Amino acid sequence: DTAVSQTPKYLVTQMGNDKSIKCEQNLGHDTMYWYKQDSKKFLKIMFSYNNKELIINETVPNRFSPKSPDKAHLNLHINSLELGDSAVYFCASSQYDPPSSEAFFGQGTRLTVV
Amino acid sequence: AQTVTQSQPEMSVQEAETVTLSCTYDTSESDYYLFWYKQPPSRQMILVIRQEAYKQQNATENRFSVNFQKAAKSFSLKISDSQLGDAAMYFCAYRSPNTGNQFYFGTGTSLTVIP
Repeated sequence: DTAVSQTPKYLVTQMGNDKSIKCEQNLGHDTMYWYKQDSKKFLKIMFSYNNKELIINETVPNRFSPKSPDKAHLNLHINSLELGDSAVYFCASSQYDPPSSEAFFGQGTRLTVV
Repeated sequence: AQTVTQSQPEMSVQEAETVTLSCTYDTSESDYYLFWYKQPPSRQMILVIRQEAYKQQNATENRFSVNFQKAAKSFSLKISDSQLGDAAMYFCAYRSPNTGNQFYFGTGTSLTVIP
């Protein structure tokens, strides 16, 4: 059973398009995250949701909008895609407490904007 | 945001030898948790080992162990008897209840294992 699954794994799209990436976790975790991994492999937190409520929104263009319909899902919608949005996007989940809980990651979505 | 620093962008090790990856972090908290994650070419992030700051004993998991120096804010990962499958990016991460329980990652170290 896949713990954190995100779809699609690969996404190639043109500048200006709108796209969504879906994420689901079956671990019963109460917190979910979106990370962006750039070409230098740096992992940057974008959003964090706890019990469907946004708790972290780092400096991310408002073209990026997360949606959490329930605790098991956190989707990422991106409007007006730009070349600089090309990256690998990771969804992750964990328990908020205890803080010793690890984060479980999806396999990533490689987004290429052409 | 917390700062987690991995000063070695790339490391290499001969198969069966031992290698140590460095990680330092900046915090004024006393309650926090540290993690090492492995990201092989498949992209999947996998937990390697974790350490609770209140524990003096260094964590070990089979061939993986840490050297946790709380005063120096250092958390290095030692891989013994390196295997070809250990080749990956390794990320150090910090988490604290006093910073919203967020995971803050270092910039990563790319480990090459030479046959």
